[in-house]
Amino acid sequence: AQSVTQPDIHITVSEGASLELRCNYSYGATPYLFWYVQSPGQGLQLLLKYFSGDTLVQGIKGFEAEFKRSQSSFNLRKPSVHWSDAAEYFCAVGYNDMRFGAGTRLTVKP
Amino acid sequence: DVKVTQSSRYLVKRTGEKVFLECVQDMDHENMFWYRQDPGLGLRLIYFSYDVKMKEKGDIPEGYSVSREKKERFSLILESASTNQTSMYLCASSFRQRQETQYFGPGTRLLVL
Repeated sequence: AQSVTQPDIHITVSEGASLELRCNYSYGATPYLFWYVQSPGQGLQLLLKYFSGDTLVQGIKGFEAEFKRSQSSFNLRKPSVHWSDAAEYFCAVGYNDMRFGAGTRLTVKP
Repeated sequence: DVKVTQSSRYLVKRTGEKVFLECVQDMDHENMFWYRQDPGLGLRLIYFSYDVKMKEKGDIPEGYSVSREKKERFSLILESASTNQTSMYLCASSFRQRQETQYFGPGTRLLVL
């Protein structure tokens, strides 16, 4: 069955530390891949997307993601986290329709 | 920039009331979507529309209906609100295909008492 999985429900990192949020998908072909961020009480904002081409994608707010076909993964990274990055992050997969992961909540410690 | 607006940020209704949630997008997008968001469950698609007066059921359409009379506006209707419909409702739109980038409104947090 087609699915998208975010294995980590909640992650806590210290401000200034690096961050990696995981996303795995299960689809027969390479789908469109997205990362969205949701601040408390807000809608979802697109951080970055991958359709084809270079497997390392740059997004807004200093985020990047790498598509790895062999691992069916699209992990989100940031080299140095800021307190304002505290939010919920959703991976999404587009293939005939759009499926969202359950989300990873990021807490940033001072 | 694409702008998707939702008529209310917070709404409190009583069980059995008819509830209307409105969504408007300003980028001439073909597709519009209504999602429900609950903790630990991510986003679940209620309905989507690919053209005026055209709609398709999503994963959880029970208890909901929709209306799209104009391209820019997509309404979600709870015919008889129930407490288990207390949730965050998110509207989104995309240009042409369902799997393309979706742009989201700020959400409506609905409490049914």
